[in-house]
Amino acid sequence: EVQLVESGGGLVQPGGSLRLSCAASGFTFSNDEMNWVRQAPGKGLEWVSFISNSGSTIYYADSVKGRFTISRDNAKNSLYLQMNSLRAEDTAVYYCARTRRDYYMDVWGKGTTVTVSS
Amino acid sequence: EIVLTQSPATLSLSPGERATLSCRASQSVSSYLAWYQQKPGQAPRLLIYDASNRATGIPARFSGSGSGTDFTLTISSLEPEDFAVYYCQQRPITFGQGTRLEIK
Repeated sequence: EVQLVESGGGLVQPGGSLRLSCAASGFTFSNDEMNWVRQAPGKGLEWVSFISNSGSTIYYADSVKGRFTISRDNAKNSLYLQMNSLRAEDTAVYYCARTRRDYYMDVWGKGTTVTVSS
Repeated sequence: EIVLTQSPATLSLSPGERATLSCRASQSVSSYLAWYQQKPGQAPRLLIYDASNRATGIPARFSGSGSGTDFTLTISSLEPEDFAVYYCQQRPITFGQGTRLEIK
């Protein structure tokens, strides 16, 4: 079964850091591009970051550029999102998603919740 | 930056009726347009990619059309499980604000 499972979310104070992980199974992870997408409470979907299958191409949304770092370990079938200098507006459910042709996302995890609050 | 505008914001229909959801791009996105369905507490699910291609396992009652700047997602006969929020998405990745399909 093709599956993505996120972990690492939690409550963090403004200015703090978190590292999200996404464990992939059921497909050849090293062949596929990946994205992080987030959804603030009661709001729509917001793209966060993209990484190519080899990790050589990376993009970020302007809202997180300079604060978040996407990475992957193909040997461990894992995707990561290092989040630093967190703000209240980063509060959201964070989803990892398998990506096709650097745009549409055909497999999604169930998400992990990040809450930034003092 | 290309902006996607979805309409209507909310659509109230009854099971068995036909639903027509619109997504308009501020500039041409060619056919790089995807549609997703999201139910409360769940992750989005891919329905349509490249404007008109159904994703694996998606029922035939879901269809997509359009190119350039104007796109439509049609659900031919609504089933109870179809009531959800629908998002369009373009390449490079931005999402529309969503259309909530609710039971009338």
